[in-house]
Amino acid sequence: KNEVEQSPQNLTAQEGEFITINCSYSVGISALHWLQQHPGGGIVSLFMLSSGKKKHGRLIATINIQEKHSSLHITASHPRDSAVYICAVMGGGGSNYKLTFGKGTLLTVNP
Amino acid sequence: DAGVTQSPTHLIKTRGQQVTLRCSPKSGHDTVSWYQQALGQGPQFIFQYYEEEERQRGNFPDRFSGHQFPNYSSELNVNALLLGDSALYLCASSQDLFYSPLHFGNGTRLTVT
Repeated sequence: KNEVEQSPQNLTAQEGEFITINCSYSVGISALHWLQQHPGGGIVSLFMLSSGKKKHGRLIATINIQEKHSSLHITASHPRDSAVYICAVMGGGGSNYKLTFGKGTLLTVNP
Repeated sequence: DAGVTQSPTHLIKTRGQQVTLRCSPKSGHDTVSWYQQALGQGPQFIFQYYEEEERQRGNFPDRFSGHQFPNYSSELNVNALLLGDSALYLCASSQDLFYSPLHFGNGTRLTVT
């Protein structure tokens, strides 16, 4: 079983829909990253969070440390949001610099 | 301000050969991490360099080695290439601060034939 599980693996939505991508992890962590990867490979960091909730534009990320679960929400989705969204966790204890990644969620937003 | 730059962008090598990939971190960043991403998979952590030392290593064989230079740029070397080493190799840089966000390069696509 992977340490980081994402769901769904694939998601197709119509423009304007509210999107939720989920991430569950099985190890203690110090921080969780949400990343966006477009075709061709480039990765952009969307959020880094260790508690609560963060918002940036139409994107919202939440994390529940007790339940070892995080969600990424996209409001009013747009075709330009089509990409792979990846959850990655950093180990706890302050000394673990390793990021463990989920396999990603492929989001396609149709006009 | 240039972000993270990686070179080359694409590379084709033959089994058994050796390859060197390069990464220049974002200005002001002193920490560089390398990741391998196979097709359809999430990235896998190879190792992280800070102050010219390998600070942490993932589950990769000794064929994978690296180096960080005084200007914080980094190299990833892979010896005795295998077909399974074909992947996108990503470099990410950050400051050595806990809440420093990561900045990724566009990667080097390595194909081993």
